[in-house]
Amino acid sequence: GAGVSQSPRYKVAKRGQDVALRCDPISGHVSLFWYQQALGQGPEFLTYFQNEAQLDKSGLPSDRFFAERPEGSVSTLKIQRTQQEDSAVYLCASSLAGAAVPYGYTFGSGTRLTVV
Amino acid sequence: GQQLNQSPQSMFIQEGEDVSMNCTSSSIFNTWLWYKQDPGEGPVLLIALYKAGELTSNGRLTAQFGITRKDSFLNISASIPSDVGIYFCAGRPGNFNKFYFGSGTKLNVKP
Repeated sequence: GAGVSQSPRYKVAKRGQDVALRCDPISGHVSLFWYQQALGQGPEFLTYFQNEAQLDKSGLPSDRFFAERPEGSVSTLKIQRTQQEDSAVYLCASSLAGAAVPYGYTFGSGTRLTVV
Repeated sequence: GQQLNQSPQSMFIQEGEDVSMNCTSSSIFNTWLWYKQDPGEGPVLLIALYKAGELTSNGRLTAQFGITRKDSFLNISASIPSDVGIYFCAGRPGNFNKFYFGSGTKLNVKP
């Protein structure tokens, strides 16, 4: 597609509920990133995929967070047993380049998750 | 994790004025990026810097990669109302894939 597409745009979850956030990167983009942006803060790195391989998941805050990209295109970020501190905007970004990405990414518009 | 200090936190300026914001890090970065984020949207890349001392322009925007490799600044000349938004710096140490973002500078422009 023309840009990085994320769905849903907004998600309200009850505490303890599981959620799944979807990212459709730009077609042909090798690298895919997930970032978490708390209110009033800059994005913080969660995880990175090169094609279907998850090469870096050092930013995932707990084992309740899980990301996958099984066919090297669409990616899903899953959060189990959501807690209030998970409320944030989750941004997906993709890049044409492979490893050691020197360029900036193209971000999607994000999914705003509110846990109540 | 990496510490990026971005200042100022917010600015209120008159249309036509020039703007300057900067970012400093606690360690050396090999790449600096500047992004703009509008409400409800993802950040959009403005300028990318790859070499210490590099000065790059994009229209009314000019950014520099500091010589120490621990800082960068962004200037906007002759501001206009559509410059309103939040500006983020982002830096990458070494050849790692992830970028570290500052906490943003919120720019308000009065017509």
